[in-house]
Amino acid sequence: DAGVIQSPRHEVTEMGQEVTLRCKPISGHNSLFWYRQTMMRGLELLIYFNNNVPIDDSGMPEDRFSAKMPNASFSTLKIQPSEPRDSAVYFCASSDGTDNTEAFFGQGTRLTVV
Amino acid sequence: KNQVEQSPQSLIILEGKNCTLQCNYTVSPFSNLRWYKQDTGRGPVSLTIMTFSENTKSNGRYTATLDADTKQSSLHITASQLSDSASYICVVTPNAGGTSYGKLTFGQGTILTVHP
Repeated sequence: DAGVIQSPRHEVTEMGQEVTLRCKPISGHNSLFWYRQTMMRGLELLIYFNNNVPIDDSGMPEDRFSAKMPNASFSTLKIQPSEPRDSAVYFCASSDGTDNTEAFFGQGTRLTVV
Repeated sequence: KNQVEQSPQSLIILEGKNCTLQCNYTVSPFSNLRWYKQDTGRGPVSLTIMTFSENTKSNGRYTATLDADTKQSSLHITASQLSDSASYICVVTPNAGGTSYGKLTFGQGTILTVHP
């Protein structure tokens, strides 16, 4: 398995534009997580899905952020409209959903909003 | 106050030396405690995972310990190598009753630099 695949690896966009980040989890994993990492705040959980259903989106900063998981092999995180303070590295991770197993992270998408 | 606190924030050591990183947590009850290694520009990679009933787990030159009574964990790196230079993140999975769906609580990380 190629692991968790995220795209794009880097994204530079202008303030106000819509940004869509993509994630393909590891095949067979039924839990998917979106994280944001900044120097100031470290890693923060934004939202996680179990069996394609959003379980907890309390970490989503505001209504400009939305996430979907239309099927077991694909998820998107959308920011509309984007703002400079959204600049961060966004990670997607997947696991088999049980507590004592590993969560595998993708390489991340570095987002810069200018 | 962060529920998972790590120390030191950063550490510089010489190649070949040993070092120990600390993690104190208040998350309770918890299912497991993990240590991740994150290289610059990469996603975190799991080093060890311990349930609350375990008190040590090794992965090559990495050994993690857990004291559930004092809510402390440490990661010991033996005979450090240049490739050990990375951020090391302590992560606790809370036990929310039943499955917590793997919701993780992250420390801020310790940045380790190994010099030749």
